Amino acid sequence: DTEVTQTPKHLVMGMTNKKSLKCEQHMGHRAMYWYKQKAKKPPELMFVYSYEKLSINESVPSRFSPECPNSSLLNLHLHALQPEDSALYLCASSRQDASNNEQFFGPGTRLTVL
Amino acid sequence: AQSVSQHNHHVILSEAASLELGCNYSYGGTVNLFWYVQYPGQHLQLLLKYFSGDPLVKGIKGFEAEFIKSKFSFNLRKPSVQWSDTAEYFCAVNAMNSGYSTLTFGKGTMLLVSP
Repeated sequence: DTEVTQTPKHLVMGMTNKKSLKCEQHMGHRAMYWYKQKAKKPPELMFVYSYEKLSINESVPSRFSPECPNSSLLNLHLHALQPEDSALYLCASSRQDASNNEQFFGPGTRLTVL
Repeated sequence: AQSVSQHNHHVILSEAASLELGCNYSYGGTVNLFWYVQYPGQHLQLLLKYFSGDPLVKGIKGFEAEFIKSKFSFNLRKPSVQWSDTAEYFCAVNAMNSGYSTLTFGKGTMLLVSP
């Protein structure tokens, strides 16, 4: 299984809603990532988890809250988002091997904040 | 920290024309190199990757790329493009940190192929 799955595929939420994005992989990868991608722009790194511990938080606003319940799952909890947070949210995972550290991307969740 | 530069933001070609997209990176250590493609409204897909060995790597859909270490380049090529190659192309460099990798993307090149 070389797949990263993400749910939901699409999400529309109001600025007062609380929602969560989910990501799952069963490749035994111990590093997992959240990226945000705006239209016609490259993905921007938000968070990195290594061995279920948060390793990088790229100055992301606190209305985004990541969680790594176990080595296969990664969540992104959303609360009080702004319309400018509308984007494609990508999850990825990788091995901890410098000779082969390819990040495997999920299909993304397309988020619209009204 | 690593950085990636893609030479062209927009490229317009006719079908059957040859393609070369430039990519240069800067990083002092060992890197792994990637090209990703994103079709309109779709998610990111891996085209090809370079880790080590033969610097000429072949990917999906007839794409290839050549790693030239002395020039810090990893240019993407295709001998004959098709209308279906219309997409955004991202070059990326991956460096290893303690327990995770740091993937840095170029700004992307939008390729438009006219039929």
